[in-house]
Amino acid sequence: AQKVTQAQTEISVVEKEDVTLDCVYETRDTTYYLFWYKQPPSGELVFLIRRNSFDEQNEISGRYSWNFQKSTSSFNFTITASQVVDSAVYFCALSEEMLGGYQKVTFGTGTKLQVIP
Amino acid sequence: SQTIHQWPATLVQPVGSPLSLECTVEGTSNPNLYWYRQAAGRGLQLLFYSVGIGQISSEVPQNLSASRPQDRQFILSSKKLLLSDSGFYLCAWTGHYYNEQFFGPGTRLTVL
Repeated sequence: AQKVTQAQTEISVVEKEDVTLDCVYETRDTTYYLFWYKQPPSGELVFLIRRNSFDEQNEISGRYSWNFQKSTSSFNFTITASQVVDSAVYFCALSEEMLGGYQKVTFGTGTKLQVIP
Repeated sequence: SQTIHQWPATLVQPVGSPLSLECTVEGTSNPNLYWYRQAAGRGLQLLFYSVGIGQISSEVPQNLSASRPQDRQFILSSKKLLLSDSGFYLCAWTGHYYNEQFFGPGTRLTVL
């Protein structure tokens, strides 16, 4: 069975600090996808990034960067120079394709990030 | 571009009353559709998914049911709500060329 662990329940940082959100996953599949979502106070989950299991290149998008390491089954998310607008709950997720073509997605329990001005 | 709608945005219902939450997707055809529930301060629990009209699969047996009467419409229902049905209900869709799920704005349900 798949499992996603986000050990950090809540993190508080002061604005402009860098912060890394940890994600560790378990799967027996060789082909899988990893995701990060942001859930601001409004509640809607916003998709941030997808990474497939064959692509271990790190990615940077503005102040966001992701570090995927298959050797440690981790997919960590770093926010550089954090801003108050980054305050949200962040979810890491893992998907596998099931019979019938649907994606079974396992979500972590989320990390609540509070950026203090 | 694709958009996903949910309504109502908030709902307060008494125990024992019926429920109908609606989700519609625009700008895509034959999406896979999903219903999730998020209890306060917790993660997401998959309730139902659908790969086509009339095709519903349940992940967790419970007081709820789902239907897909049209290609881009997904409905979550209950005949009699329980207190434990309170939560934040999210609808999501995926296409057939990428794997990420896109979520609607959610419905916040309070059962009193």
